[in-house]
Amino acid sequence: GAGVSQTPSNKVTEKGKYVELRCDPISGHTALYWYRQSLGQGPEFLIYFQGTGAADDSGLPNDRFFAVRPEGSVSTLKIQRTERGDSAVYLCASSLVPGEAYEQYFGPGTRLTVT
Amino acid sequence: AQSVTQLGSHVSVSEGALVLLRCNYSSSVPPYLFWYVQYPNQGLQLLLKYTSAATLVKGINGFEAEFKKSETSFHLTKPSAHMSDAAEYFCAVSGGQAGTALIFGKGTTLSVSS
Repeated sequence: GAGVSQTPSNKVTEKGKYVELRCDPISGHTALYWYRQSLGQGPEFLIYFQGTGAADDSGLPNDRFFAVRPEGSVSTLKIQRTERGDSAVYLCASSLVPGEAYEQYFGPGTRLTVT
Repeated sequence: AQSVTQLGSHVSVSEGALVLLRCNYSSSVPPYLFWYVQYPNQGLQLLLKYTSAATLVKGINGFEAEFKKSETSFHLTKPSAHMSDAAEYFCAVSGGQAGTALIFGKGTTLSVSS
């Protein structure tokens, strides 16, 4: 079946602009996660959804970042007033249900470049 | 708080040689541990996971890892490297809060030469 998909694969934007990054999880997966991977680093957790609600947003770096998942499937990560430091690969993952023992399936990521 | 340290940002081996990628963790609770592999321009793929059922965990592509509580380690090994194993490898521990967020190490790039 189809895996986790993310669009766009690459996004270049100017400093100060607004961007939206989209994630389509595996069908039927109730848990959805966003991570950010900076160059030379491992992925860092941003936010986790269980269904439509954000169950844990402790990883969002500041209030310029927020994410939604209005129908419990597709999620959009939104970044306002982008800064050069926001440049990174944004990864989305989904799992059938939340919990440590359940595998998180990752998408290929969106590479965001802020100029 | 949980954390992961991967020793060696870059490991180089010859084809057919033993692969050993090191991972040490810190956790205040019994950990769930994972190894992921990332090929260029692809998403992370789970190699194996430790969930307390057995200390020696076998994964895909001939990889395995051994959980050693006394050493707080979860090193990844493969007896014989293939060229196709060249990739970046990440060790991760579960976050412990609601058991959902993964905390990753910085990664180890494995190079395999012929």
